Amino acid sequence: AQSVTQLGSHVSVSEGALVLLRCNYSSSVPPYLFWYVQYPNQGLQLLLKYTSAATLVKGINGFEAEFKKSETSFHLTKPSAHMSDAAEYFCAVSVFYNQGGKLIFGQGTELSVKP
Amino acid sequence: GAVVSQHPSWVICKSGTSVKIECRSLDFQATTMFWYRQFPKQSLMLMATSNEGSKATYEQGVEKDKFLINHASLTLSTLTVTSAHPEDSSFYICSARDFETVLPTEQYFGPGTRLTVT
Repeated sequence: AQSVTQLGSHVSVSEGALVLLRCNYSSSVPPYLFWYVQYPNQGLQLLLKYTSAATLVKGINGFEAEFKKSETSFHLTKPSAHMSDAAEYFCAVSVFYNQGGKLIFGQGTELSVKP
Repeated sequence: GAVVSQHPSWVICKSGTSVKIECRSLDFQATTMFWYRQFPKQSLMLMATSNEGSKATYEQGVEKDKFLINHASLTLSTLTVTSAHPEDSSFYICSARDFETVLPTEQYFGPGTRLTVT
């Protein structure tokens, strides 16, 4: 069965510092992986996705993630944090085979950005 | 493109009443829609998968008679919380997959509905 683990329920960085949010997955088949962002009382917005093409995936708002099969990881990074990046971030794996593409979400990581 | 709306955005109802939440894909057709529930400071938990023209598939532990899902058209799915109780208070989010999507690319999420049962 597929699963996702996000290491660290809360990450705090200073404005301008590197953002690193960790995600490890477990999947018996080649996974499709996603990072979503959620602002308070809102739905989810897709940041980026990995669908077995390039292992380094660039997304919106300067975020990128690298798929590392050997480490079963899909960590999210951004070189320089902005105050507007403060939000909840979710990593997810898609369960497609015989299950209609439903998403399995990690526990979420709350990112705080200090001025 | 790929906009999903939910209505209402928030609702307060009395214990024992039923409330319906609508999820619409505004600019694409969605054969599959998903309903999630999210408690404060927690992740999204999938409640059910809704397929147009067929019965919804519920996740283990979700009461299908309490959370009625109808997917009557390619652009509309509804979730009805029947005989609501305070423990049903939560943030409900729907998402939709594009009809023309072959691979499981992203789901498009609605803005969510905050349900408070008093």
